[in-house]
Amino acid sequence: QLQLQESGPGLVKPSETLSLTCTVSGDSISSSNYYWGWIRQPPGKGLEWIGSIYYGGSTHYIPSLKSRVTISVDTSKNQFSLKVNSVTAADTAVYYCARHRWCSSSTFCLRDFQYWGQGTLVTVSS
Amino acid sequence: DIVMTQSPDSLAVSLGERATINCKSNQSVLYSSNNANYLAWYQQKPGQPPELLIYWASTRESGVPDRFSGSGSGTDFTLTISSLQAEDVAVYYCQQYYSSPLTFGGGTKVEIK
Repeated sequence: QLQLQESGPGLVKPSETLSLTCTVSGDSISSSNYYWGWIRQPPGKGLEWIGSIYYGGSTHYIPSLKSRVTISVDTSKNQFSLKVNSVTAADTAVYYCARHRWCSSSTFCLRDFQYWGQGTLVTVSS
Repeated sequence: DIVMTQSPDSLAVSLGERATINCKSNQSVLYSSNNANYLAWYQQKPGQPPELLIYWASTRESGVPDRFSGSGSGTDFTLTISSLQAEDVAVYYCQQYYSSPLTFGGGTKVEIK
């Protein structure tokens, strides 16, 4: 049974960097044909995809955040991470990590989100 | 970006009655080479992460009750709960994965009348 667990500080100061890690258990993050993603949800609002990564390093980001976001993978720890620079109150949200459905395409390969972590609330405040 | 618009924002349905949620995209999410609609539906209960219900617009995820069904093609899609149960109270989201950036609809809140 695949499980994902987000971890990281629950409070970040404005202008600083938000850093979260997603630890994967029940499967290898190096499994072929799976992308791993981050999605966030401001309190009381809807879902926003942030970006996704393949274990080999290929990444996709939402353009509106691309200049501030980095997603990376650590196969030795079976983890992937999210960093958001220069945060403001607008970055306050529950952050979810998730795994996309298996994809065999050689081109665009982001699918639906089949497995989700429980989410972690990050508040940006001084 | 593909914009996903859901309607209604909320609806109240009696137990055992049908609930219908609509999702419209501003461009087609039907991929002609494989005739597949790149559209998923999720259910999110309070305090929980979203849970995948439907993918490829009409394929139920394993373990999802058959009272949930998805239909539609191109730009217009529907999630139907054929007989609403108390445990179906939640917010429902559609999501397109036809192109990046992946985008979600704004959500539809389903309550008991």
